[in-house]
Amino acid sequence: GENVEQHPSTLSVQEGDSAVIKCTYSDSASNYFPWYKQELGKGPQLIIDIRSNVGEKKDQRIAVTLNKTAKHFSLHITETQPEDSAVYFCAASKGSNYQLIWGAGTKLIIKP
Amino acid sequence: NAGVMQNPRHLVRRRGQEARLRCSPMKGHSHVYWYRQLPEEGLKFMVYLQKENIIDESGMPKERFSAEFPKEGPSILRIQQVVRGDSAAYFCASSPTSGGDNEQFFGPGTRLTVL
Repeated sequence: GENVEQHPSTLSVQEGDSAVIKCTYSDSASNYFPWYKQELGKGPQLIIDIRSNVGEKKDQRIAVTLNKTAKHFSLHITETQPEDSAVYFCAASKGSNYQLIWGAGTKLIIKP
Repeated sequence: NAGVMQNPRHLVRRRGQEARLRCSPMKGHSHVYWYRQLPEEGLKFMVYLQKENIIDESGMPKERFSAEFPKEGPSILRIQQVVRGDSAAYFCASSPTSGGDNEQFFGPGTRLTVL
């Protein structure tokens, strides 16, 4: 079955700098890759997603890149702000299979 | 449009008791998913339901756990004879249609503590 690995487990960056979180997946049939942000005591919230027919997607300060050949995808956050501090999860699924397979999460700390 | 609602937010049970977790999907959503999250870990799929049907329960333990999504009312995740290892956060998500490439909207979760 699908396996998603996420790195790093903790990332500390200076406010204003960029943050990059990386994930790899094992099942080449996976074609949907969402990123979720989870704040303390809350449920995950979708921040951006990408489908396998594109290599990059951007939404303001957030971007996701996908390399299907290498089976990895990354989240890029530019100009980080204190409110970006949270745990970020990547996930993968096949379009016809509703199950989201999750990475273990990255705790992002923005230092003032 | 209210989001996914879960209650209770916190639930404390003693070993051997029953836990009932409720989930009301977003309006217009007929697909419900339950996930479990242990501390410092990602979410693990448990069960996928549509109204009155269990579509996939492959992630749910065969014993003590059950789920339903009746025609009327919320989806219920039921854990009988709870043990300490059941302590976790349980999240419900809903989507308007099936398919893994449709956004799943998550509720705030129920944090179950088994004493």
